[in-house]
Amino acid sequence: GQQLNQSPQSMFIQEGEDVSMNCTSSSIFNTWLWYKQDPGEGPVLLIALYKAGELTSNGRLTAQFGITRKDSFLNISASIPSDVGIYFCAGHTGANSKLTFGKGITLSVRP
Amino acid sequence: GAGVSQSPRYKVAKRGQDVALRCDPISGHVSLFWYQQALGQGPEFLTYFQNEAQLDKSGLPSDRFFAERPEGSVSTLKIQRTQQEDSAVYLCASSLGRPSYEQYFGPGTRLTVT
Repeated sequence: GQQLNQSPQSMFIQEGEDVSMNCTSSSIFNTWLWYKQDPGEGPVLLIALYKAGELTSNGRLTAQFGITRKDSFLNISASIPSDVGIYFCAGHTGANSKLTFGKGITLSVRP
Repeated sequence: GAGVSQSPRYKVAKRGQDVALRCDPISGHVSLFWYQQALGQGPEFLTYFQNEAQLDKSGLPSDRFFAERPEGSVSTLKIQRTQQEDSAVYLCASSLGRPSYEQYFGPGTRLTVT
């Protein structure tokens, strides 16, 4: 089945640093979404991308939909302690309505 | 406004028991999804409703899993004769439906089968 690849599994950064994480797929997706999940909670939608090449910002977050439609990246600028959590990419092919998720990247921010 | 709510938040079941998990989607959201999230993994699709119609149940792992949404709002995921491998977090998400693909998740129900 389709899979989204996120690596590394964990990232450790210093407060104030920027961090970039990407997500790749062997197949095309028509929509890319980025979610953040805190322990014991459901994923929270951060950014949705609908067009190849699209660059979208939400505060300190910026995400891009790759030109090939097989990848996306998320950038967090000037990280703060509350950015700690698990970041998931998810894709939608449009053929049906389910989302396919990556395994997530756990972000730690050192004060 | 109110988000997606799920109940119970935690459920412990003895192996072989039946369980029912409830999801209240965001008011007005046509589409409702159930996902299963194992520890350390991303959510995996189980089933999808558009209003009361179950349009995709390809992700249900066995015939012990059953979902319904009889009036097109609240949904229940039922697991019969629970097994240890059913232990996971069950997430519900809702969306306005096409053309919006933005899905909003509830807090999940953590099921532990002992």
